[in-house]
Amino acid sequence: DSGVTQTPKHLITATGQRVTLRCSPRSGDLSVYWYQQSLDQGLQFLIQYYNGEERAKGNILERFSAQQFPDLHSELNLSSLELGDSALYFCASSADRSRNSEAFFGQGTRLTVV
Amino acid sequence: AQSVAQPEDQVNVAEGNPLTVKCTYSVSGNPYLFWYVQYPNRGLQFLLKYITGDNLVKGSYGFEAEFNKSQTSFHLKKPSALVSDSALYFCAVRDLILTGGGNKLTFGTGTQLKVEL
Repeated sequence: DSGVTQTPKHLITATGQRVTLRCSPRSGDLSVYWYQQSLDQGLQFLIQYYNGEERAKGNILERFSAQQFPDLHSELNLSSLELGDSALYFCASSADRSRNSEAFFGQGTRLTVV
Repeated sequence: AQSVAQPEDQVNVAEGNPLTVKCTYSVSGNPYLFWYVQYPNRGLQFLLKYITGDNLVKGSYGFEAEFNKSQTSFHLKKPSALVSDSALYFCAVRDLILTGGGNKLTFGTGTQLKVEL
């Protein structure tokens, strides 16, 4: 158990809908990262938050947004969903912003858009 | 941009034999390299990292990795493979994002390890 909790584990929704994925980082970790894993794109970095502030942005679509709350949990919002958004979405956390500290991953949310 | 490459989609090895999963990197500056393992329907588990220091890094579950600067490689190794080691292995490099002061992991495409009896 990595200590990173993601809910829900599975989500099935229709095209055009909006969903929210939730992540609770390991106790004490200030950085939260979101990644998308799909068969065709592999593991792709979406966005990083550190202590409530956005710090890095990757290939995140404009239909997607995220935030980190004062209690350090994070949410990833996906809207106007398309079939191609079906993927495994991972949250990871690390203690700080440095490159030294390893990131610990949650078990992921499997999103299926039908 | 920094990147890593995993040249083998799959590696097969017999239980008890040594295993190697290959990774090469392309970075500017000092590399910050990581190995993760993913079991079916699970998240990624951290195995080990190279930041600086000894070229042989020891990690979890008996795994180790050899950093080779001249060959720009960071191969994952284990002296004696177990059937339970069968999983998907990812090499990754930690990249700084200068705007915003953040960082990200850039992953390789993954190597499926299959250990057979």
